[in-house]
Amino acid sequence: EAQVTQNPRYLITVTGKKLTVTCSQNMNHEYMSWYRQDPGLGLRQIYYSMNVEVTDKGDVPEGYKVSRKEKRNFPLILESPSPNQTSLYFCASSSGQKVPYEQYFGPGTRLTVT
Amino acid sequence: RKEVEQDPGPFNVPEGATVAFNCTYSNSASQSFFWYRQDCRKEPKLLMSVYSSGNEDGRFTAQLNRASQYISLLIRDSKLSDSATYLCVVSRYSSASKIIFGSGTRLSIRP
Repeated sequence: EAQVTQNPRYLITVTGKKLTVTCSQNMNHEYMSWYRQDPGLGLRQIYYSMNVEVTDKGDVPEGYKVSRKEKRNFPLILESPSPNQTSLYFCASSSGQKVPYEQYFGPGTRLTVT
Repeated sequence: RKEVEQDPGPFNVPEGATVAFNCTYSNSASQSFFWYRQDCRKEPKLLMSVYSSGNEDGRFTAQLNRASQYISLLIRDSKLSDSATYLCVVSRYSSASKIIFGSGTRLSIRP
């Protein structure tokens, strides 16, 4: 089954404790992206990757890091989480080859930073 | 001003009604346009892409007006299962790189 998986689905952590949210897709997609969703603000793009070893900042990259060492994986790293990073996070992937580009989303990770 | 703006709603309409959503975007260089649907606490899913010529998929019709920079979605004969948040999505460039989501319009269909 074609899918995007994220882990963990729920995470409660404390300020400053490094964490990683994993994202994996099995559709051989070149393009992957991370979003955060906050009430009243919609989904905002954090980082995206057009292919292996190619990443770029979205609209709200501060406080986040990503890497793309393999095509299928695109982890999101919070080196020193802060309470303003409490949010619902979605990973998405797209073939990036066909216009328009349908994105497939993971189930989401609900992060709470205390 | 947000780059993609939608009326947040909520729209509360009876089953069988026709409902229309509009979305405006500010970047005239925007290339690709979409409507996504998001159920409560779930991931967004593509409802339909929006083409300049307009397109229809069953009860759903999408229109794009580049001159006025707005996108519309029309739902006819609404069903209870149409209750969701509808997200207007715009890609700034011809690649998939920069993608902007509207905040979404909440729709609730009542029996």
